[in-house]
Amino acid sequence: NAGVTQTPKFQVLKTGQSMTLQCAQDMNHEYMSWYRQDPGMGLRLIHYSVGAGITDQGEVPNGYNVSRSTTEDFPLRLLSAAPSQTSVYFCASSYDALTDTQYFGPGTRLTVL
Amino acid sequence: DQQVKQNSPSLSVQEGRISILNCDYTNSMFDYFLWYKKYPAEGPTFLISISSIKDKNEDGRFTVFLNKSAKHLSLHIVPSQPGDSAVYFCVKGGTSYGKLTFGQGTILTVHP
Repeated sequence: NAGVTQTPKFQVLKTGQSMTLQCAQDMNHEYMSWYRQDPGMGLRLIHYSVGAGITDQGEVPNGYNVSRSTTEDFPLRLLSAAPSQTSVYFCASSYDALTDTQYFGPGTRLTVL
Repeated sequence: DQQVKQNSPSLSVQEGRISILNCDYTNSMFDYFLWYKKYPAEGPTFLISISSIKDKNEDGRFTVFLNKSAKHLSLHIVPSQPGDSAVYFCVKGGTSYGKLTFGQGTILTVHP
């Protein structure tokens, strides 16, 4: 039981490049979400999904796309990276959308030059 | 509109003493609060929670107090241990669709 896994752990991009941050969970959780953490700030919600095929925007969705084709996977796409997207990204999952206790992955540290 | 505020960026305590981490919140009547703990290079992990119908919740060395009139939350760790050194986030939950609102975090350092 690996829990929530994220790849890659580190990534450096140039402005304008695109990439996908991967997130997978093996706990059969319905709810998954993406957060970003910037220095001196708490985590902020980017996008979330209450189940396969259903996604919605969080607090800071601009510049990011998501899709949820399976229960296990919830990738986050940056279509055209900007320096403002330099951050640490965390994926999380929970049994359902009513469960506040969420399990977080180890994070992806992204630098956009 | 910062709904959850942790005004102390850091706290340093001696091993064996009490650690008290504080949090203020706005705009809540029936919310649910959680504390998450985060070590470097790891994701946050759930520590303890409290619903707005309670004043206190205890789990081993960790106790969370909720003062609804003051809109204030605190986490007490007794006794503190060096392994407790981490960033602690005060989190507001209880809203729709699992959305969590995080405070800025407090870095706790417990010295041996």
